[in-house]
This record gives sequence, structure tokens and C-alpha cells, in this order.
Amino acid sequence: DIQMTQSPSTLSASVGDSVTITCRASQSISNWLAWYQQKPGKAPKLLIYEASSLESGVPSRFSGRGSGTEFTLTISRLQPDDFATYYCQQYNSDSPTFGQGTKVEIK
Amino acid sequence: QVQLVQSGAEVKKPGASVRVSCKTSGYIFTSYAINWVRQAPGQGLEWMGWISAFNGNTNYAQKVQGRVTMTTDTSTNTAYLDLRGLRSDDTAVYFCARDPIRYSNNVDYFDHWGQGTLVTVSS
Repeated sequence: DIQMTQSPSTLSASVGDSVTITCRASQSISNWLAWYQQKPGKAPKLLIYEASSLESGVPSRFSGRGSGTEFTLTISRLQPDDFATYYCQQYNSDSPTFGQGTKVEIK
Repeated sequence: QVQLVQSGAEVKKPGASVRVSCKTSGYIFTSYAINWVRQAPGQGLEWMGWISAFNGNTNYAQKVQGRVTMTTDTSTNTAYLDLRGLRSDDTAVYFCARDPIRYSNNVDYFDHWGQGTLVTVSS
């Protein structure tokens, strides 16, 4: 299976900050990468697909970049609603895998 | 609007089986695939498998292969997950999630999710 490694595991930030989460794949996945936001007790919510395409209805302060093995999710101007855990997911293979998650918490 | 509504929480003993349902609405069920993803308490997300609602093809994760069966009922637009030989490490919240690509033959990403079903395995 393709291993996905996110960094950092936890990120402390303030409202209004811009933050970046990195996701690295153990082998090239082209641009077959999605990002999700999950809040406690809730299902994940799709934010980004194909590495940089914004899902309908997702605020434009979320952006994704990358290809091959290295990807980033940037949240510009953090809002109170953005404090959550974020996961990347590769779908290059027939066995999709997720990163371990990055918790964005209030500083 | 697209909705996936799952069945309620279950408590099972080791070795037992469990069935989780995922009733869908708001879209043409037979045009899309359904995935199952689980999350152990305090842990990350783990993909379990995929079923095409238009041809019944399945693709299961190696970790659960042999213990899992995914099916669909096109008369009720419902997907089912059956997991046998339950162990304590199967304790998790189980999610169904729609693949957004029509008639896809591959596992893609997931655009709509059910609310989750907690399955607890305990003696």
C-alpha cells in the first residue's frame, strides 16, 4: 500500500493566521489526492480533490497544491470554524490510504 | 440533496457478525459506487472497500478480505456492509461514503458521507 505521511501532527494557530499542512506519499500518486476536514463526532467533509480542485461550497481560503509525492493544504485567514482535524487521502491505487491526520488547534 | 443515512449503533461479542446499512437519497443510486471507511476510537481513517452500485463489482481492503461482504439493494437505494468474525480491534465508527465519479471502475475520493455507525466489540 502507498503510505501517506502528514506533518505536523498538531498545529497551534490563532484566528486570522495562515497555516500549511504537508502530506507526502511513499511513491508518486500524480495528482490523485484529496483533503478532508473532520470535527469530533462528525463524518469527514471533502475540501479538495485532484490535489488542487476546490469542492463546491468550500470557502476559497482553503487551497491545495502539489503533485507526485508532495502536497500541501493551506488555510488562509483561519476562522473559528476551521479548528478541526485534516486528513489527506491518495486514490492513485486501488487501495486508497489516508494520512494520520493533522489537528489544528487554537493557540 | 444527497443524503446517506446509516443504521444505529451495535454492540457485538467477539466472533459475531454485524450488518451496517446505508440508505441513500437525492441522487441516482445505480450511477455511483459506495465505499466503506472506518475509524477506531481516537484513530485515523481506514478504507475497507468499495462496491459499484451499477454492476455490483467489489474491491476489498486486504486487511478485511475474507471477513467482509458489501452489497447493494437497488430497490431501496441501500448499501450494506457485513463483517464477520468480529474482534476487539474491529471496534470503530463505520462510515459509508459516495464515490462522486459516475460509473467509475476505480476507487476515487468521497464527496458525501453517512453520519457513521459505532460498532463495539466486547465480551
